[in-house]
Amino acid sequence: EDQVTQSPEALRLQEGESSSLNCSYTVSGLRGLFWYRQDPGKGPEFLFTLYSAGEEKEKERLKATLTKKESFLHITAPKPEDSATYLCAVQAVIQGAQKLVFGQGTRLTINP
Amino acid sequence: KAGVTQTPRYLIKTRGQQVTLSCSPISGHRSVSWYQQTPGQGLQFLFEYFSETQRNKGNFPGRFSGRQFSNSRSEMNVSTLELGDSALYLCASSSKPSGTLEAFFGQGTRLTVV
Repeated sequence: EDQVTQSPEALRLQEGESSSLNCSYTVSGLRGLFWYRQDPGKGPEFLFTLYSAGEEKEKERLKATLTKKESFLHITAPKPEDSATYLCAVQAVIQGAQKLVFGQGTRLTINP
Repeated sequence: KAGVTQTPRYLIKTRGQQVTLSCSPISGHRSVSWYQQTPGQGLQFLFEYFSETQRNKGNFPGRFSGRQFSNSRSEMNVSTLELGDSALYLCASSSKPSGTLEAFFGQGTRLTVV
């Protein structure tokens, strides 16, 4: 079964304390991997798209990397405003149709 | 450039009723996808429309249906509401089908079934 698993479920860091979030996937026919940020009561906000193993993307304090089986979202020297749920989604061909499959998300809290 | 607009933002309905949610995509985007988000199940794909045609469908019962108009606006309908249908319903638009490029989400409609 095609699956996307994110870990940890929740992560609490001090301001400035760098860490990484993990997204592992078991899908066939991977077409792309997406990272989103979601604030409470709002829709997900697009962050990155990764298409092939070895690819990296950066935006401010965030850096996303991709291997054949997983992706990491590295957060460097985070600030309280980085607190949010981070969602990973995989675009795959499932039963002949392209679909986005989301992980359950990692709830990140940055304490000042 | 206006983002994805979903209306209404909040809805309270009674079991057995039906509800229609609306989504206006980003101008020029022809793909609209619908998702249900709950604390237990996360984001689950409902269906996708591109140029007025349903391209993909998730594993939801037939009570969930949708359509897309010629101006790319989309509606989602849920009939015979159940308590378990309470969720945040999200719409996402993209310029190409099936999330080939990044999808942009609206703020969602919070549906509560009592």
